[in-house]
Amino acid sequence: QKEVEQNSGPLSVPEGAIASLNCTYSDRGSQSFFWYRQYSGKSPELIMFIYSNGDKEDGRFTAQLNKASQYVSLLIRDSQPSDSATYLCAVTGYALNFGKGTSLLVTP
Amino acid sequence: EPEVTQTPSHQVTQMGQEVILRCVPISNHLYFYWYRQILGQKVEFLVSFYNNEISEKSEIFDDQFSVERPDGSNFTLKIRSTKLEDSAMYFCASNTRDSYEQYFGPGTRLTVT
Repeated sequence: QKEVEQNSGPLSVPEGAIASLNCTYSDRGSQSFFWYRQYSGKSPELIMFIYSNGDKEDGRFTAQLNKASQYVSLLIRDSQPSDSATYLCAVTGYALNFGKGTSLLVTP
Repeated sequence: EPEVTQTPSHQVTQMGQEVILRCVPISNHLYFYWYRQILGQKVEFLVSFYNNEISEKSEIFDDQFSVERPDGSNFTLKIRSTKLEDSAMYFCASNTRDSYEQYFGPGTRLTVT
């Protein structure tokens, strides 16, 4: 069984702080790694993807990948209340295999 | 910006009835997917579709389910005889041949009574 594990949270951070979200996966053959944001009752929205070891930055978001440790993370800098959502980690060799998500709450 | 669309947004049906969920993927995308999310649970892969045939399916996608691309734009998921446990959000997603990034539609909430 190919597992994608995330801490369910909730992770609570004050506005302006850095939120750190973590994900581990079991399938060493996984090639591509994604972070989706999902607001309650809405569909997953792609916010970051990373294919190679290291860091990838896009605006306030940084994705980090360590294939040796089978670990991928998402950092959100200068967190805003509008960032409050569930963050889904997904890994693929083909179809997306999702984790259960981490609930993030950014408090004003 | 192009987006995946899905209809209807909410479908209520009685157990045993057939339902068809519709999706219009992004126009230049070639790979299409259906996922479902039962309330409070994770997003689960159902099936992928490429070049007018199923390329991969999960254990959930049994004989009650089928997919079709009846024309150049629509992509449909049919559930032949719905069960109570089919109640979920159903998401369509698509991506191009050159990338793995899948973009999701807004979903159809299916309620089976």
